[in-house]
Amino acid sequence: GAVVSQHPSRVICKSGTSVKIECRSLDFQATTMFWYRQFPKQSLMLMATSNEGSKATYEQGVEKDKFLINHASLTLSTLTVTSAHPEDSSFYICSARLGRNCTFGSGTRLTVV
Amino acid sequence: DAKTTQPPSMDCAEGRAANLPCNHSTISGNEYVYWYRQIHSQGPQYIIHGLKNNETNEMASLIITEDRKSSTLILPHATLRDTAVYYCIVRVATGGKLIFGQGTELSVKP
Repeated sequence: GAVVSQHPSRVICKSGTSVKIECRSLDFQATTMFWYRQFPKQSLMLMATSNEGSKATYEQGVEKDKFLINHASLTLSTLTVTSAHPEDSSFYICSARLGRNCTFGSGTRLTVV
Repeated sequence: DAKTTQPPSMDCAEGRAANLPCNHSTISGNEYVYWYRQIHSQGPQYIIHGLKNNETNEMASLIITEDRKSSTLILPHATLRDTAVYYCIVRVATGGKLIFGQGTELSVKP
C-alpha cells in the first residue's frame, strides 16, 4: 500500500531557530501534498496544499513567510517553521494524495523551548 | 466542502459492533463520504469511502442513507485497538482537500 514517511518524528528546538520537516511518498508519486497542524485535544487543521513545481496554497490565517513549503520533487515536500516560538509547538502531519485517497505520515512532534 | 456532524464520544464493548453515525445534510452530488481514524499521537488512517452505495472492506462497512444526508460506519467486532478518534469527512474525490471536523472519540472497553 501507499506509504508516506515523515521525518523527524520528534524535534526540540530553541526559540528563534528554524526547523525543517520532510514528507516523502515512498512508493508512489504525489503531485499534491497537504500539511496539517494539530494542538492537544484538537482536530487537525489544514495549513496548506503543496503542489509539485509550483507555489503552495495556504489556508486563511496561516503565515506563508513563517511556514515555508517546498515541493521540489514528486516524492518530497518540506515544511520549514521559521523563527520558531513556543506557540508553534504542535503536532505537524503531512499527507499525500494518491488517486481518490490521501495517505498520512506519522506526524512530527515539535517542541520549541 | 460540506460540513459533518458527529457525536463527540461513544463507548463500545469489546467484541460488539461499533456503529458511528455522521450527518452531512448539505452534501453535494459529487462529494464522497470518507472515514479516517486517528490513534493517539499518530497520523490519520484511511478506513473507507463511498458515494451512494454501501461499501465494505476488511476494516469496516459504510452505510449511506438513500438521501445521502447521513451515514454510519460499522466496525463489526470492535477490539481494544480500535480505540481512536473517528473522522467523517465529505469531499470532492478529485483534488478536494480533507477538512477535519471534531470527530467521534470511540472507546472500546473490555
